[in-house]
Amino acid sequence: RKEVEQDPGPFNVPEGATVAFNCTYSNSASQSFFWYRQDCRKEPKLLMSVYSSGNEDGRFTAQLNRASQYISLLIRDSKLSDSATYLCAVNIFTGGGNKLTFGTGTQLKVEL
Amino acid sequence: DTAVSQTPKYLVTQMGNDKSIKCEQNLGHDTMYWYKQDSKKFLKIMFSYNNKELIINETVPNRFSPKSPDKAHLNLHINSLELGDSAVYFCASSQAGDRDRYQPQHFGDGTRLSIL
Repeated sequence: RKEVEQDPGPFNVPEGATVAFNCTYSNSASQSFFWYRQDCRKEPKLLMSVYSSGNEDGRFTAQLNRASQYISLLIRDSKLSDSATYLCAVNIFTGGGNKLTFGTGTQLKVEL
Repeated sequence: DTAVSQTPKYLVTQMGNDKSIKCEQNLGHDTMYWYKQDSKKFLKIMFSYNNKELIINETVPNRFSPKSPDKAHLNLHINSLELGDSAVYFCASSQAGDRDRYQPQHFGDGTRLSIL
């Protein structure tokens, strides 16, 4: 079983739609969680951290369920510019360093 | 203004050659990382250094040798390049103590390595 799993997609949605991505992780010792966005041929960029109580940033909402070991990302009112690959990342602090493990990413295509 | 910069951006070379990729960060972070993203887009950590000390080595072949002359620089030297080394290599940095677990990693824009 992969340490971090995501549905690779692609998710093709019309502009204005609401779309949700899930991510599951296998290591219960995981301590912090993130969503990154990666555009084609670009570097990953932090979209948002995911906190235990859930958090929102504009049209983006992230949730964490530690009992079930999954995190989610909800995008409301999708824009064409939201088209990208969304990477879930899970962090464990190990003896002096943070180890970030990424999922394979979920591809989102927002269409007119 | 670039926070994490790596050079070169593109590297095309022949099998068997030795090459280096350089990375520098001006964010004042104490930890730097190398990641490999393969053709299937899977992003996997290779190494991390904290204040010039190797912290994480993810069973990478010993043809790959990272070097950190100071905490703002982490270079990657690759000996005897193989076809399977073709990938995008990303450098990243962060603050990475136990109290910094929510600090995100900041990535360079990648080095696209192609082995002929």
